[in-house]
Amino acid sequence: NAGVTQTPKFQVLKTGQSMTLQCAQDMNHNSMYWYRQDPGMGLRLIYYSASEGTTDKGEVPNGYNVSRLNKREFSLRLESAAPSQTSVYFCASLEAGARNYGYTFGSGTRLTVV
Amino acid sequence: AQRVTQPEKLLSVFKGAPVELKCNYSYSGSPELFWYVQYSRQRLQLLLRHISRESIKGFTADLNKGETSFHLKKPFAQEEDSAMYYCAPNSGGSNYKLTFGKGTLLTVNP
Repeated sequence: NAGVTQTPKFQVLKTGQSMTLQCAQDMNHNSMYWYRQDPGMGLRLIYYSASEGTTDKGEVPNGYNVSRLNKREFSLRLESAAPSQTSVYFCASLEAGARNYGYTFGSGTRLTVV
Repeated sequence: AQRVTQPEKLLSVFKGAPVELKCNYSYSGSPELFWYVQYSRQRLQLLLRHISRESIKGFTADLNKGETSFHLKKPFAQEEDSAMYYCAPNSGGSNYKLTFGKGTLLTVNP
């Protein structure tokens, strides 16, 4: 079982470039989430998808878009990267009906925008 | 506004000493609360759930509704406990989503 897989693990972008962070889970979970982790700020929710076909904004959605391609995959897109988006991005998933078991996290994508 | 506060950014103790990582929340109703741990350069992993009242790796956490706290405790810290710890309540109600505190970096010195 791979769990939650994120690609790429590392990425350097120039300001204004675009890219898509990929996330896939093989646990048949309904809900998926994207967080960013910054020093001193903890993890902040960018977008989430409660189920296939739905997406909702989190705390810090500006500058990002998401796509819930199917039940397995939830991608995060930066259309025009900015240095303020330099961060570590984590994807997570949750099984419906297993709220008390919390999230399963991916290993993260470390993004640097120069 | 619903909030979670971890007042200590850094906490340093010696091996064998007791440790307490504080978490206070301000949520209406009965929140679901979790502690997550992130070891150096690893993914976040669930440590404790308040609903289960369990002890994991010697850690316990009691939900105190009167003080709106969910402090994480361990009587005898070990060097391998050095990590970042996050308190996380479910802020979305039925639309489940976790809000994370800013984290406490625990260092256990030999």
